[in-house]
Parts: sequence; C-alpha cells; structure tokens
Amino acid sequence: AQSVTQLDSQVPVFEEAPVELRCNYSSSVSVYLFWYVQYPNQGLQLLLKYLSGSTLVKGINGFEAEFNKSQTSFHLRKPSVHISDTAEYFCAVSASGGSYIPTFGRGTSLIVHP
Amino acid sequence: DVKVTQSSRYLVKRTGEKVFLECVQDMDHENMFWYRQDPGLGLRLIYFSYDVKMKEKGDIPEGYSVSREKKERFSLILESASTNQTSMYLCASSFAGRGGLGAFFGQGTRLTVV
Repeated sequence: AQSVTQLDSQVPVFEEAPVELRCNYSSSVSVYLFWYVQYPNQGLQLLLKYLSGSTLVKGINGFEAEFNKSQTSFHLRKPSVHISDTAEYFCAVSASGGSYIPTFGRGTSLIVHP
Repeated sequence: DVKVTQSSRYLVKRTGEKVFLECVQDMDHENMFWYRQDPGLGLRLIYFSYDVKMKEKGDIPEGYSVSREKKERFSLILESASTNQTSMYLCASSFAGRGGLGAFFGQGTRLTVV
C-alpha cells in the first residue's frame, strides 16, 4: 500500500514570489508520482508526473517538481506565482505495476495575494 | 481530448432517498473510480472498477454501491442517502496497463442531502 503526506494544508504567498508545496510518500514498491491541480468548482487536472529517469520534471503553467528517492519526497515548485495559480493542489502516488490505483494526499490550498 | 462527464454538477436530495450519480468516459479506459472529496480530508476512494461488471471496494465503501454494465459508464449509488454523505463526488478513469498516464477526472458532483 502507498500513502501520501502533504505537509501544508494552506500556503499563502504574494504574487511573483516563489513557492514550494511539499509532498512526501511511502511505498514498499516502485511508484509513479503525480501532482494535480483543482481550480474552484472544477475537477482535477494533471499538472505533472514522474515515471522514471530525470528527477526534475516540468509541467504545465511553469510548475516543476523534483523526485528525491532517499527522502521519499516529490515537492512542487514555481519560481514566480500568479494570481491565477490560486487553487488546490494534490500530490498522488500509484504503484508502477498492478492496478495503478492512485492514492491522494489531503491537498494544499495555494492562496496568491496581490 | 479525454472527456469524463458526470451527469450533474449539483444535486439536492432528501434523507432516505436513493441517489444515482452517473459517470461516462470516452477514452475506452479500463479503470474507473469514484472518489469523495471533503475539506481537509482530500480524496478518498469509494469504489473502483477495472472491467465491466467488476468492482472493488475502496477505503470508504459503506453506504455506497456501484454498477458498471458498460465499459464507458460507472454509476455510484447511495441506497439511502444520509446527511453525512453531503460531499463533492469525483469520477475518474485511466488505462489499466498505462498507469503512468495518470487519471482523468470529471467536473465533480456536489451533493447536498437535507
């Protein structure tokens, strides 16, 4: 079984500042890692994913994440946020074999202030 | 574009009613999922299905059942709705053998039970 911990329930930040949303996972098998974004009153959209290879992955809207196997982390970063980045962000993990059922963290609410 | 369509964005039902939430996907995905989303709790898996007529319980199946008679359609059933089932319900789908593609989500159904 896998589990995901998002360490911050809410992250306030000013526009144009950098941001990091933290995610740690646990698993006894190899995993795929994902970040999803949810804008108000919408479903989840895939932001980026790590499957294998380079530990730095780039996604949409200028976001990137770094996989750190030794620390079992997959933190999401953006060097300069915009008001439109205000949303809920979910980290997810699934086993890289088997049924691929994603397990989600509790979410981090990113609030960008002008 | 992949499309996962949930039949209703908003529903209001009375305690004790039988409630059907419908989800249709157009990508020929084998896997389909129903999640419940509550503030501070993230997404919790209710049921998933990996094939027609096949289903597995997730983390919180109590009070719910599902039906998958056709590959593209996955229904969530609340046999006797209760106020503690007031929540946002999210349907998702994915390929069974290609977990690295991630899951695709519908827009969500916000259910209120009064």
